[in-house]
Amino acid sequence: QKEVEQDPGPLSVPEGAIVSLNCTYSNSAFQYFMWYRQYSRKGPELLMYTYSSGNKEDGRFTAQVDKSSKYISLFIRDSQPSDSATYLCAMRRSGGSYIPTFGRGTSLIVHP
Amino acid sequence: EAQVTQNPRYLITVTGKKLTVTCSQNMNHEYMSWYRQDPGLGLRQIYYSMNVEVTDKGDVPEGYKVSRKEKRNFPLILESPSPNQTSLYFCASSFIGTATRSYTFGSGTRLTVV
Repeated sequence: QKEVEQDPGPLSVPEGAIVSLNCTYSNSAFQYFMWYRQYSRKGPELLMYTYSSGNKEDGRFTAQVDKSSKYISLFIRDSQPSDSATYLCAMRRSGGSYIPTFGRGTSLIVHP
Repeated sequence: EAQVTQNPRYLITVTGKKLTVTCSQNMNHEYMSWYRQDPGLGLRQIYYSMNVEVTDKGDVPEGYKVSRKEKRNFPLILESPSPNQTSLYFCASSFIGTATRSYTFGSGTRLTVV
């Protein structure tokens, strides 16, 4: 079993829909949780990060962490065609030397 | 502009012909890493470096070499490329203490080995 599991999709939604992207993980030591967005033929870019449990909101994006269930989510409200991309979750332990572990990524398609 | 620069962006080569993909960062990051990304498999780490002259294997190191002689540069070397190394390659760098928010990727190198 991989440390971080993420459904590759593709997930296809109409413009304006609320999108839910999810990851599960097995390592209870993970404390930092990140979401990256990767457009076609580009490198992943950091979208949001959170520490431990709870919610964090940034514009149309909300990141949610449930450590008791080892489950994280990214919600996109009022989705736009420009949100079409692959979304990768990542997580890491606390402590200076720990580097992120990445999920495989979910391909999102928002059609007009 | 703070960035990770990879070259070349696209490369087509023949089996067995040695090649080097360069990676350079201008953020004074200690940590650098190489990944390959394949459909359905996600990002897989090839090699990483915690600092100058310190390198270690990732999950898929076979067929690759790296060196870290300077802090800013981390080239990826394929001594004898094979078709199964056809992939999209990314270099990344970060500060070790703030990897959550400083982890930065390059734009990628698409390699085709025929």
